[in-house]
Amino acid sequence: NAGVTQTPKFRVLKTGQSMTLLCAQDMNHEYMYWYRQDPGMGLRLIHYSVGEGTTAKGEVPDGYNVSRLKKQNFLLGLESAAPSQTSVYFCASSYLQSSQPQHFGDGTRLSIL
Amino acid sequence: AQSVTQLGSHVSVSEGALVLLRCNYSSSVPPYLFWYVQYPNQGLQLLLKYTSAATLVKGINGFEAEFKKSETSFHLTKPSAHMSDAAEYFCAVSPQGGSEKLVFGKGTKLTVNP
Repeated sequence: NAGVTQTPKFRVLKTGQSMTLLCAQDMNHEYMYWYRQDPGMGLRLIHYSVGEGTTAKGEVPDGYNVSRLKKQNFLLGLESAAPSQTSVYFCASSYLQSSQPQHFGDGTRLSIL
Repeated sequence: AQSVTQLGSHVSVSEGALVLLRCNYSSSVPPYLFWYVQYPNQGLQLLLKYTSAATLVKGINGFEAEFKKSETSFHLTKPSAHMSDAAEYFCAVSPQGGSEKLVFGKGTKLTVNP
């Protein structure tokens, strides 16, 4: 019973490098989300998806791209990493209804040097 | 637009004391409300949720929260703190009738002193 799995768990990048964070869920959830968590800022929504093949911008989408080619996977890409993107990234998923809670992965700690 | 305010970014209690973490929301209609807990180096876990069935909601680990419409509040309480309760707690709101997005508060870090 894996729930939401994020890979990798840690990563250090140099400014300008690119990378992709992978999120996989095995609960057949329609909705998936990417957040970043910074000290004192709480969780801020980057992008989200309401179903396979759909994506939408959240609160802080600049510098990130996403794709959801399969219902169970949601990828977050950084095309040209910047130090301001140093953060902890969380993926979450949920069922359709707004009364349903989101289920979170354990996070990816990303440092941009 | 909806918002969530958590009063106090840090709360410190003694072991065995009452835990009270405050959450106020702004919404034109009663929303769905959630409390999550985050232990160090982990993701968020659901503690409890309010979906209009009952105003007093019981969650895991002895926590409960009361929805008060007149005060637009959803404060989290636990009668007796345990060392293992030390974590960060987040309140979140979702409007009834459909939004796929949660709005989170900025979190309250709970310290439990022996």
